Amino acid sequence: ETMMTQSPATLSVSPGERATLSCRASQSVSSNLAWYQQKPGQAPRLLISGASTTTTGIPARFSGSGSGTEFTLTISSLQSEDFGVYYCQQYNKWPWTFGQGTKVEIK
Amino acid sequence: QVLLVQSGAEVKTPGSSVKVSCKASGGSFSTYAINWVRQAPGQGLEWMGGIIPVFDSPYYAQTFQGRITITADASTRTAYMNLMRLRYEDTAVYYCATEALDWGQGTQVTVSS
Repeated sequence: ETMMTQSPATLSVSPGERATLSCRASQSVSSNLAWYQQKPGQAPRLLISGASTTTTGIPARFSGSGSGTEFTLTISSLQSEDFGVYYCQQYNKWPWTFGQGTKVEIK
Repeated sequence: QVLLVQSGAEVKTPGSSVKVSCKASGGSFSTYAINWVRQAPGQGLEWMGGIIPVFDSPYYAQTFQGRITITADASTRTAYMNLMRLRYEDTAVYYCATEALDWGQGTQVTVSS
């Protein structure tokens, strides 16, 4: 089973600043890495798949990079509506595994 | 893109079973894997298992082995997740998702006496 580790656990960022979230896999997942945003009471929202492909309708300030075992989600200029918990997920092979989440707070 | 519509909320007693359905529209159903993921209150996302309908051979997470059955009916484009011997800690929102990362809206399952 591939373990996914996210850092930091919590990120407090002022509006307009850049936010950088990290995700590490315990073994290579190639580019089969997704990022989700989740707000309270809502289903996860797919932001990025294929490590760097932004889902249709997701603002351009969200971008993903990396391959193999190291991945990054960047929010270039944080907006107030970007608060929530962000999860990475590998779908390279079963079992799918998820990181424990990074909580993004608006400072 | 595939639209997944799940069945409604359920309240179950400990020891009983729950069966959640996931109906797909659009895209190819039989050749793409359908996965089941759950999220307990205040917790992260946990993969439970998956199935590729054309092969009809499910794969389960170790945690749920012996308690879960995942099936798929290609004629109705519907996948099912049956969880047995329910415990209080099975209270969660249950999601289905395709291998292309289309997700259902979630089904709340509450285990309560």
